[in-house]
Amino acid sequence: DAKTTQPPSMDCAEGRAANLPCNHSTISGNEYVYWYRQIHSQGPQYIIHGLKNNETNEMASLIITEDRKSSTLILPHATLRDTAVYYCIVRVNNDYKLSFGAGTTVTVRA
Amino acid sequence: KAGVTQTPRYLIKTRGQQVTLSCSPISGHRSVSWYQQTPGQGLQFLFEYFSETQRNKGNFPGRFSGRQFSNSRSEMNVSTLELGDSALYLCASSLGAGSSTEAFFGQGTRLTVV
Repeated sequence: DAKTTQPPSMDCAEGRAANLPCNHSTISGNEYVYWYRQIHSQGPQYIIHGLKNNETNEMASLIITEDRKSSTLILPHATLRDTAVYYCIVRVNNDYKLSFGAGTTVTVRA
Repeated sequence: KAGVTQTPRYLIKTRGQQVTLSCSPISGHRSVSWYQQTPGQGLQFLFEYFSETQRNKGNFPGRFSGRQFSNSRSEMNVSTLELGDSALYLCASSLGAGSSTEAFFGQGTRLTVV
């Protein structure tokens, strides 16, 4: 599996956009970028995923660079409930395993 | 529709005992995966089942085993429990139809080995 690199932590002001970076320079052509988050003591929650195009859903937007070596998860209007550990995962095609790294601990402050 | 259900939510066992954890996937999902989460090692993949067959296995000793039933419900078993097996055990279900399907996690079973 391609490895991902994320900053260990970041703070965000409530109501502002949170931009979470992820580097995956060894990603191969058939690997998808997934984002999950885990709120304290709960199971991880799926946020969004993409292959090469930018994606948007009701939770977030995913921006993938043209060379696919990095991506950014954007939470458009962060709330206190968005405080969580965010995981960027690159998933091998037809491999149902999710390889979680350390993630980014995002703290949204009022 | 109902989410992924894991039972029990909390469990305390003694070293040397064995334990069985249960996971009921979302209706229609045929893939069930299990993960172990500890403060030191983070989230680690245990194994994945699809249509009653184990398709993927993580790097865990043989004391960790699992199975899936015809209704897609899954169980995992840990024998000869060690203190280091204390962890949050998470189950995830997905359609299992391709690599671009998202996984939905349950709330987990918190196992404490004393």
